[in-house]
Amino acid sequence: DTEVTQTPKHLVMGMTNKKSLKCEQHMGHRAMYWYKQKAKKPPELMFVYSYEKLSINESVPSRFSPECPNSSLLNLHLHALQPEDSALYLCASSQEDNTEAFFGQGTRLTVV
Amino acid sequence: KQEVTQIPAALSVPEGENLVLNCSFTDSAIYNLQWFRQDPGKGLTSLLLIQSSQREQTSGRLNASLDKSSGRSTLYIAASQPGDSATYLCAVGVYGNKLVFGAGTILRVKS
Repeated sequence: DTEVTQTPKHLVMGMTNKKSLKCEQHMGHRAMYWYKQKAKKPPELMFVYSYEKLSINESVPSRFSPECPNSSLLNLHLHALQPEDSALYLCASSQEDNTEAFFGQGTRLTVV
Repeated sequence: KQEVTQIPAALSVPEGENLVLNCSFTDSAIYNLQWFRQDPGKGLTSLLLIQSSQREQTSGRLNASLDKSSGRSTLYIAASQPGDSATYLCAVGVYGNKLVFGAGTILRVKS
C-alpha cells in the first residue's frame, strides 16, 4: 500500500473561517510534507515533519499552522486566509529523509 | 540555489512513438532525482526514483537516466499510449529533505 489519503478533496472557505486539511498514511513513513501548488506551476514546499517534529518551515505565513499528532497523521490548520492562498495543497510522505516520496491526491482550496 | 529546468515545456506525439523528456539541475549536490506524473487537478504519482549513486532505473516502458556530474536526467517512454498523456515533473532531493521541482512537461499522445 503506497497510499497517502487527503481530506477533504475540495474546500471553499471564507477569509474569516477556520478550517483544517488532513493527511494520513499507513506506510510507516517517518517524514511527512505539505506542498502548495498554484495553477500551472510546480509544487512548492511549505513544511517538513521528521519523526513527528517540525524540521522545515519554508517561511510560510502564520495563517498556515501545521500539526503532526502522530506518525500517521498530518494536519494543516487554516485561519484568515487570503484569496491568493487558493491552490492545490498536497501532502506527501517518505520512509526517511531523502527517500522516495509518495503524494496524496491533494485538497483543492478556494478562498472567497 | 538549486534550479530545475524541464525541456520541452509541451510535447505532442502520435501514439506508438518513443519519446524523451529532459530535466536539468544547476547544483550536483543532490540525494536523488524523482520523476512524477500528474493528471489535471490531481496529485502526483511517483514513476521512478534514482539515487545519486545510480545511473539508471527502469519500470515497464519507462527508463530514467541520471548524469549527476553534468546535472541532467532523461525520462524515456517507449511505445507511447494515449493514457500516457499527463504532465511529467522532475524533482531533485536536496539537503533538508526537500524536493525541488521543475515546471514540468505537458505530454499529449494522440490516438
